[in-house]
Amino acid sequence: NAGVTQTPKFQVLKTGQSMTLQCAQDMNHNSMYWYRQDPGMGLRLIYYSASEGTTDKGEVPNGYNVSRLNKREFSLRLESAAPSQTSVYFCASSLRTGANYGYTFGSGTRLTVV
Amino acid sequence: GDSVTQMEGPVTLSEEAFLTINCTYTATGYPSLFWYVQYPGEGLQLLLKATKADDKGSNKGFEATYRKETTSFHLEKGSVQVSDSAVYFCALSDRGGADGLTFGKGTHLIIQP
Repeated sequence: NAGVTQTPKFQVLKTGQSMTLQCAQDMNHNSMYWYRQDPGMGLRLIYYSASEGTTDKGEVPNGYNVSRLNKREFSLRLESAAPSQTSVYFCASSLRTGANYGYTFGSGTRLTVV
Repeated sequence: GDSVTQMEGPVTLSEEAFLTINCTYTATGYPSLFWYVQYPGEGLQLLLKATKADDKGSNKGFEATYRKETTSFHLEKGSVQVSDSAVYFCALSDRGGADGLTFGKGTHLIIQP
């Protein structure tokens, strides 16, 4: 049982380049999330998808776009990467949104923008 | 808005010591509270949770009690092991969790043999 799978695990981009981070879950969860983790900042929500076909902005959405491709997959796109987007990105899923449901996290993508 | 405050550390303890990691929160509603743990190079894992006042969450020897009167959810363990070395995150889910979890900045715990 793979849980939440993120690709790639590591990536180096030049300023201005674009890329898509992939996330897939095999737990039949309805809700999916993208977070970034920065030293001293904890995790901050970028975008989330409460259910297939819906997406909403989180705390730090600027510079990112998302696509909920189907129930399993939720991708994060950087159209024009900036050094401020250097971070570790985590995808997570939950059965549905709601205070009682814990999240399952992927192992992360470490992105460096030079 | 919602926020979570926790001691950042690093917190360094000897094996078998008693552990407390403090967590306090601010929320507009009646949140659910969580502790997550992150081992080096891995994603976060749910450690325990509590969904209403006076609930105690527990797992793997860790405990935390939801204290509404002090808006706190402190993590405790009676006897830590080297394998408990990790980063611990306190988090809350408010407004029905519709817009994700709010995390604290994390506490780096180091257990020395």
